[in-house]
Amino acid sequence: AQKVTQAQTEISVVEKEDVTLDCVYETRDTTYYLFWYKQPPSGELVFLIRRNSFDEQNEISGRYSWNFQKSTSSFNFTITASQVVDSAVYFCALSESEGETSGSRVTFGEGTQLTVNP
Amino acid sequence: DTGVSQDPRHKITKRGQNVTFRCDPISEHNRLYWYRQTLGQGPEFLTYFQNEAQLEKSRLLSDRFSAERPKGSFSTLEIQRTEQGDSAMYLCASSLFRPTADTQYFGPGTRLTVL
Repeated sequence: AQKVTQAQTEISVVEKEDVTLDCVYETRDTTYYLFWYKQPPSGELVFLIRRNSFDEQNEISGRYSWNFQKSTSSFNFTITASQVVDSAVYFCALSESEGETSGSRVTFGEGTQLTVNP
Repeated sequence: DTGVSQDPRHKITKRGQNVTFRCDPISEHNRLYWYRQTLGQGPEFLTYFQNEAQLEKSRLLSDRFSAERPKGSFSTLEIQRTEQGDSAMYLCASSLFRPTADTQYFGPGTRLTVL
């Protein structure tokens, strides 16, 4: 069975602070995908990143960066110089990546509510 | 490309009534998924289709729930004899499977309130 744990239920920061959202996962699959999605107050889930388990290279996209460590089963997300518009619930997620069911059932964590105060 | 659309966005119904939701995926996407999200939780997988075939159903999908995708395009999710516990956000997503899966893109959801 797959499981995603986001231990931080809520985080509150002041604008321009850096913030890291933690994600730890469990899976028996040897290959898998990891994702981060953002859910602003409007409710629509917005895709941020997908990472294949064989690619442990960290990624940076603007103010966003992701640190994937297979040895500790973690896929953490850092926002640099946070802004009020970053306020949202962020979900880490996991799916298998082999065979005909590849990418079908996505298992989500419970989410981290990030509030960025001006 | 237009994104995934869902209709209605909000539905209020009385316990025992039937409700039906519609999802229109991104046009070239061959996979369509349904999830349920309750307050303070992450989305939970319900079922998915590849073209018109329903390939997997979660244990969460009780006998009162039925989903269809008759022509491999839009999908409907029907809940019969609604219960208060069915109150949730119902999310639809679509992706292009080629033979490795692409990312799932989500619609805005249908918020169901059962009184």
